[in-house]
Amino acid sequence: GAVVSQHPSWVICKSGTSVKIECRSLDFQATTMFWYRQFPKQSLMLMATSNEGSKATYEQGVEKDKFLINHASLTLSTLTVTSAHPEDSSFYICSARTISGRDYEQYFGPGTRLTVT
Amino acid sequence: DQQVKQNSPSLSVQEGRISILNCDYTNSMFDYFLWYKKYPAEGPTFLISISSIKDKNEDGRFTVFLNKSAKHLSLHIVPSQPGDSAVYFCAASGMNTGNQFYFGTGTSLTVIP
Repeated sequence: GAVVSQHPSWVICKSGTSVKIECRSLDFQATTMFWYRQFPKQSLMLMATSNEGSKATYEQGVEKDKFLINHASLTLSTLTVTSAHPEDSSFYICSARTISGRDYEQYFGPGTRLTVT
Repeated sequence: DQQVKQNSPSLSVQEGRISILNCDYTNSMFDYFLWYKKYPAEGPTFLISISSIKDKNEDGRFTVFLNKSAKHLSLHIVPSQPGDSAVYFCAASGMNTGNQFYFGTGTSLTVIP
């Protein structure tokens, strides 16, 4: 099956610093990747849709200057949380959509837990 | 505005019995629905899907039922096993959502041995 990895799986950073999270599709190409955020005991909230080679589309209420998304290749998308604050502490999950076969399927990464101190 | 809702935050079922998880949606343009299973601190895992042209899809112990007129879908797990204990999210997508998925709030299933 399709595999999506995220790195790092857990990161602790100080307030004011920036953190980069990588999302890779390991055995397939993904023209579209999605970034989600999950607060404890809440649903997955779509933050942005990332298309290879173009600017990401952000959901309403998500600060694009704070959450920088880059989708440089068909297998890699990155999310950078700039000037992180404690309220940014959350579980960030990416997903990738295959471009062949059952194109509605999305495969999720294992998630990255960010703790801002 | 929550377009996909799972009104039961938790459910407990005895091992071997049936688990029924429910999901309601409001957007009549949704035409594709999925169920995901999620363990703590892990990403969701795809379970089963159904398109709006069907009203039932079965895969092993998992069956999804879709009632378009009621804008309701359900996931049946028979027989339930302790390893099924997880949070289950339903998700919906449609042509007018750019094929992006909207997730419900999840139902935490506990299967009691």
